[in-house]
Amino acid sequence: QVQLQESGPGLVKPSQTLSLTCTVSGASISSGGYYWNWIRQHPGKGLEWIGYMFDSGIVYYNPSLGSRVTISADMSTNRLSLRLTSVTTADTAVYFCAVGEEYWFDYWGQGALVTVSS
Amino acid sequence: DIVMTQSPDSLAVSLGERATIHCKSSQSLLFSPNHKNYLAWYQQKPGQPPKLLFYWASTRASGVPDRFIGSGSGTDFTLTISSLQAEDVAVYYCQQHSKGPLTFGAGSKVEI
Repeated sequence: QVQLQESGPGLVKPSQTLSLTCTVSGASISSGGYYWNWIRQHPGKGLEWIGYMFDSGIVYYNPSLGSRVTISADMSTNRLSLRLTSVTTADTAVYFCAVGEEYWFDYWGQGALVTVSS
Repeated sequence: DIVMTQSPDSLAVSLGERATIHCKSSQSLLFSPNHKNYLAWYQQKPGQPPKLLFYWASTRASGVPDRFIGSGSGTDFTLTISSLQAEDVAVYYCQQHSKGPLTFGAGSKVEI
């Protein structure tokens, strides 16, 4: 059973960088064959896919976020990371990490609320 | 981007009755070579992450009760709860897994 747990600062100032980590257990990011995703949910709203990492290095991001997003992984600690630069209040959301063998999401973390505010 | 449109936004159904949610995609999600529809359904209860119900439009995920039925093809899809139980109160989302960027519907809230 794959388990995912997001962690990181709950408050980020506008124009700064949002950084989150997803600790993975029950599977190895380095083993390949899985799509490791970040998805966010604005308060009271629907779901927005941010991007994925596949096979330990192939990344694909939602063009709506432009060049602000970076997804990476630390294979030694089995952690997935998200960096989102130049944040605004519109980036306030619950951020989920999720994984699947195809382009759907079998397992999800509980989510981490990030508020962008000065 | 493929736009996913769900209806209704919310619905109230009596216990034991049928609940039906519709999802329409702006492009066909049917891939002819394998005859598969690239659509997933999720259930999200308050304070919880979404839970996968279906992929390939009608393939039930592990542990999903058989009162949940996924159907449809091409651009029109349906999630049916054949006999609503109290624990089915949730928001339901469709998601296309055909091409990037992956996109979701806005959600349909099921209440009793």
